Amino acid sequence: DVKVTQSSRYLVKRTGEKVFLECVQDMDHENMFWYRQDPGLGLRLIYFSYDVKMKEKGDIPEGYSVSREKKERFSLILESASTNQTSMYLCASSPGQGRNSPLHFGNGTRLTVT
Amino acid sequence: AQSVAQPEDQVNVAEGNPLTVKCTYSVSGNPYLFWYVQYPNRGLQFLLKYITGDNLVKGSYGFEAEFNKSQTSFHLKKPSALVSDSALYFCSLKDMRFGAGTRLTVKP
Repeated sequence: DVKVTQSSRYLVKRTGEKVFLECVQDMDHENMFWYRQDPGLGLRLIYFSYDVKMKEKGDIPEGYSVSREKKERFSLILESASTNQTSMYLCASSPGQGRNSPLHFGNGTRLTVT
Repeated sequence: AQSVAQPEDQVNVAEGNPLTVKCTYSVSGNPYLFWYVQYPNRGLQFLLKYITGDNLVKGSYGFEAEFNKSQTSFHLKKPSALVSDSALYFCSLKDMRFGAGTRLTVKP
């Protein structure tokens, strides 16, 4: 069974801090994704990666960056946290063959920026 | 632009009654469509998908979904709802975009 692990369930950070959200998957999946989830807006895609050292912008990349140095790990970075980045962050992975494989999600990190 | 829409924020049904959670789509080409469920304080779990073939797709926990090309819809259904089905449901496209979600509440 695929396991996607997000390092923190809850985080509280101050405005202006640099924040790292870590995600690790254990099934050798090529594809990894970061979403944020807000009430009434559903899931919005921030960044995704189809391979090591590769990244693509999603729909709302502003204020975020990512790092994928190893296949199993995909990190989301908030360069300078702001209150409007308070949200639930979800990491997901999927195998590389085409686009018909479902995503496997972690349990999320609820980030509060004060 | 490709997109999915979930026209209902909230669906309420009584336990034992059939349930439907609606999803419509707008795509060019083949519409690979997915349904996911999210229980409180958890990530999303895959329920079922439509790639090609039969318009009625069966998935986990007794759920099924009907693909309708003429109406560009992919509604999630279950013949008899359980209180434990209460959760947030998301429809999504192959390009990783999701609908806004529908909160299903099943009352005893």
